[in-house]
Amino acid sequence: QITLRESGPTVVKPTQTLTLTCDFSGFSLSSRGVAVGWIRQPPGEALEWLAIIFWDDDRRYSPSLKGRLTITKDASKDQVVLTMTNMDPVDTGTYYCVHTVVSTTEGYLFDHWGRGALVTVSS
Amino acid sequence: SSELTQDPAVSVALGQTVRITCQGDSLRNYYAAWYQQKPGQAPVLVLYGKNVRPSGIPGRFSGSSSGNTASLTITGAQAEDEADYYCNSRDRSDNPFGGGTRLTVL
Repeated sequence: QITLRESGPTVVKPTQTLTLTCDFSGFSLSSRGVAVGWIRQPPGEALEWLAIIFWDDDRRYSPSLKGRLTITKDASKDQVVLTMTNMDPVDTGTYYCVHTVVSTTEGYLFDHWGRGALVTVSS
Repeated sequence: SSELTQDPAVSVALGQTVRITCQGDSLRNYYAAWYQQKPGQAPVLVLYGKNVRPSGIPGRFSGSSSGNTASLTITGAQAEDEADYYCNSRDRSDNPFGGGTRLTVL
């Protein structure tokens, strides 16, 4: 059974750096074709894909946020960490960690989601 | 920037058929995946690829694609299908979601 759980601060101040941790179980991030990604959702708004890290340590970032995001993994700890610099109130939202199946024909499939972590950016 | 366009809201009478569409240039090269999100819950993958349903997703959900448009069809909509639906697709280095369609079952 695959599970993912996000953890991190619930409130950050503008300009601060957000660090979110995803602890997962039920799969290995060393297995070919597996990845873990992050997706966020501002209150009442649409989903936004942020970043993904693959089994071979390759990484991809949203072009609109590249430069602010860093995604890393510790496969031995079954953990993925996302950092986002220079936080702004518009970054307020729920941040989801997702198990991702990578397919050359079907792209990225986010087939298991964490419950999400609500992050509020406010001074 | 990468973009997928969805109608903001659609309604369907209980038991009838509804189609939710998603448009974008990336859909000419990649299949769309569809996610259902109910209030206060994380999204759930309901359809992907040519027309593939993950385990546990009812057979009334189906998909199709033509040119730059992908469609999610619910045949015989049920009250529990009322939710927000998001399409998603790769687009070169990006992986955008559509703006979402709120489905109301009347």
